[in-house]
Amino acid sequence: AQTVTQSQPEMSVQEAETVTLSCTYDTSENNYYLFWYKQPPSRQMILVIRQEAYKQQNATENRFSVNFQKAAKSFSLKISDSQLGDTAMYFCAFMKHVSDAGGTSYGKLTFGQGTILTVHP
Amino acid sequence: KAGVTQTPRYLIKTRGQQVTLSCSPISGHRSVSWYQQTPGQGLQFLFEYFSETQRNKGNFPGRFSGRQFSNSRSEMNVSTLELGDSALYLCASRTTGTLPGSPLHFGNGTRLTVT
Repeated sequence: AQTVTQSQPEMSVQEAETVTLSCTYDTSENNYYLFWYKQPPSRQMILVIRQEAYKQQNATENRFSVNFQKAAKSFSLKISDSQLGDTAMYFCAFMKHVSDAGGTSYGKLTFGQGTILTVHP
Repeated sequence: KAGVTQTPRYLIKTRGQQVTLSCSPISGHRSVSWYQQTPGQGLQFLFEYFSETQRNKGNFPGRFSGRQFSNSRSEMNVSTLELGDSALYLCASRTTGTLPGSPLHFGNGTRLTVT
C-alpha cells in the first residue's frame, strides 16, 4: 500500500514571495503519477500540477513547479510570486499505474494529510 | 465545458436513514470516483466506476454503495447512516483509455451532516 506524508500542517507566506510545500511518499511501485491539488474555502479540489514518475524533468505550470526526487521519494511544490488567491489547503497525491487487459487505465488517488497555506498581503 | 456537478450541495439526515448523492461527470469522461473527506481521516477513496462497473473499491463497509449509468452519471448511496458518516463527499471524473495517469477533476462536493 502507498502512503503520502505532508509534514507541514500549516505554512504562511507574504504576497509576492516564494514558498515550498513538502511531500514524501512510500511505494514499491516503479510506474506511478504524482499530483498537487489545492482546495480553497469554496472546497472544490483543483488540480495544480502533475508529474509522471518515469520523467526526470520536473513539471512546471506557470508560477507552480515541483522538485521531484524519485530515489528519495520526495515531491515538493514551489509556488513563486505568491498571490492572495493561492490561500488554500494543498494536497499531495499519489496514483499507481493500473491498466486492464484491454489497455484501459484506472486511477485511485492516495492523498496526504494536507498543508494549509495562507498568503498574507 | 461544464465541470463535475454534484447534487445536492448540502444534506442533513438522521441516524438510521439512508441517503443518495448524485454526480454528473465532465462530458466525455467515463470514469467516476468517489472520495470521503473528514477532518480526522482526511481524504479517503470510496470507489471508482467505469462503463457501469465498479473497478476499484476502498476500505468502507457495505453500507456504502454506488452505481454508474450508461451516460456515465453516478450515484452513491449510504444506508443506515451513522454519526461518523458526516463528511464532505467528493466526486471526480477522469478520462480513461490509453492515457494512464490522467488527473481526476473534482466537483464541489456534497456536505452530509448526520444528526
